[in-house]
Amino acid sequence: KQEVTQIPAALSVPEGENLVLNCSFTDSAIYNLQWFRQDPGKGLTSLLLIQSSQREQTSGRLNASLDKSSGRSTLYIAASQPGDSATYLCAVRLNSGGSNYKLTFGKGTLLTVNP
Amino acid sequence: GAVVSQHPSRVICKSGTSVKIECRSLDFQATTMFWYRQFPKQSLMLMATSNEGSKATYEQGVEKDKFLINHASLTLSTLTVTSAHPEDSSFYICSARAIDRGNEQFFGPGTRLTVL
Repeated sequence: KQEVTQIPAALSVPEGENLVLNCSFTDSAIYNLQWFRQDPGKGLTSLLLIQSSQREQTSGRLNASLDKSSGRSTLYIAASQPGDSATYLCAVRLNSGGSNYKLTFGKGTLLTVNP
Repeated sequence: GAVVSQHPSRVICKSGTSVKIECRSLDFQATTMFWYRQFPKQSLMLMATSNEGSKATYEQGVEKDKFLINHASLTLSTLTVTSAHPEDSSFYICSARAIDRGNEQFFGPGTRLTVL
């Protein structure tokens, strides 16, 4: 059974800092990995999706890396801003073929960026 | 593009009543929709996978007679919580798989259910 772990559970940083969020998964046979942002009481916004054949993806100040063999991914946020404050969720989709598109989520990292 | 809506966004009901939550893909067709439940400070837990025109597939531990899922069209899936109890209070989120967008899942804004 795939398990996804995110460290740290919570992180508080001053504005302008660069930071790294970590995600690990137990089954390396993944199809892809996705990072989401969730604001309090809201749904999920997809940030980056990395296919299993890719090593990293970038979007603006965000960079996500994937090391499938070691079961790890990191989300790097450059020059953090108060508006980045949210919960960041990591999710993996297993490479089980067929029509199995299920995502397994971590518990998330609650990020607070202080002005 | 790839917008998913949910209705209602928030619902409060009495114990024993049934509540229906709608999930719609607004600008794309989704043959598969997923229903998740999220308790405070917990991750999203998949409840069931819904395929258009067929019965939903429920995850282990999810009561299919309590959480009724109907996926009648390529843009609409509904989740009905029957005989709701306070322990069913949670945040319910749906997602839809977009066939023409690399099978990526797009998530709705969620529905906050409170059972008194």
